[in-house]
Amino acid sequence: AQSVTQLDSQVPVFEEAPVELRCNYSSSVSVYLFWYVQYPNQGLQLLLKYLSGSTLVESINGFEAEFNKSQTSFHLRKPSVHISDTAEYFCAVKKVGGSQGNLIFGKGTKLSVKP
Amino acid sequence: DTEVTQTPKHLVMGMTNKKSLKCEQHMGHRAMYWYKQKAKKPPELMFVYSYEKLSINESVPSRFSPECPNSSLLNLHLHALQPEDSALYLCASSQDERQAGGYTFGSGTRLTVV
Repeated sequence: AQSVTQLDSQVPVFEEAPVELRCNYSSSVSVYLFWYVQYPNQGLQLLLKYLSGSTLVESINGFEAEFNKSQTSFHLRKPSVHISDTAEYFCAVKKVGGSQGNLIFGKGTKLSVKP
Repeated sequence: DTEVTQTPKHLVMGMTNKKSLKCEQHMGHRAMYWYKQKAKKPPELMFVYSYEKLSINESVPSRFSPECPNSSLLNLHLHALQPEDSALYLCASSQDERQAGGYTFGSGTRLTVV
């Protein structure tokens, strides 16, 4: 079975500072990896995903994540955050070739960006 | 159209009421999902429909009854709910049951049971 650990439940940071949200996973088989963002009172939006190929993936709003197979990690980073990045961030894994119900979420990290 | 649309956005219902949540997508996705999300928690899978057939029921109580009338629509019928069922109910879809990409989520229905 797969599992996801988000080590930090809350990350406060000042505007324009860099941030890293940590995600580690456990799986005996190959997985796809995802980061979702949830703004207050909204649903989840896919931020970025790793399926195969380059281990560094980027989103359109400046976030990036790097798949590290040896450390079983998929940390999310942004070099300079904005107030509008305040949200809950969920890391998720899905077994390659797995059934449709097999998207496993971490417990989430609340990013609070302060002016 | 790249969205999953959920209605209503907010719903307050009594424990004896019957209500339905609706979800619609026009992306040609053949897998659709219901999730339940309590405050400060990740989403929990409730049901999965694949090609309009129920394929996964995560031991959800029978007071929740899903329905997939066609490939674009997914309903969740609610009856005799309890206050602890109050939560954000999220619908999602994906191209196929084994699609590599992520799911597309709707904005959710915030349900309050009084």
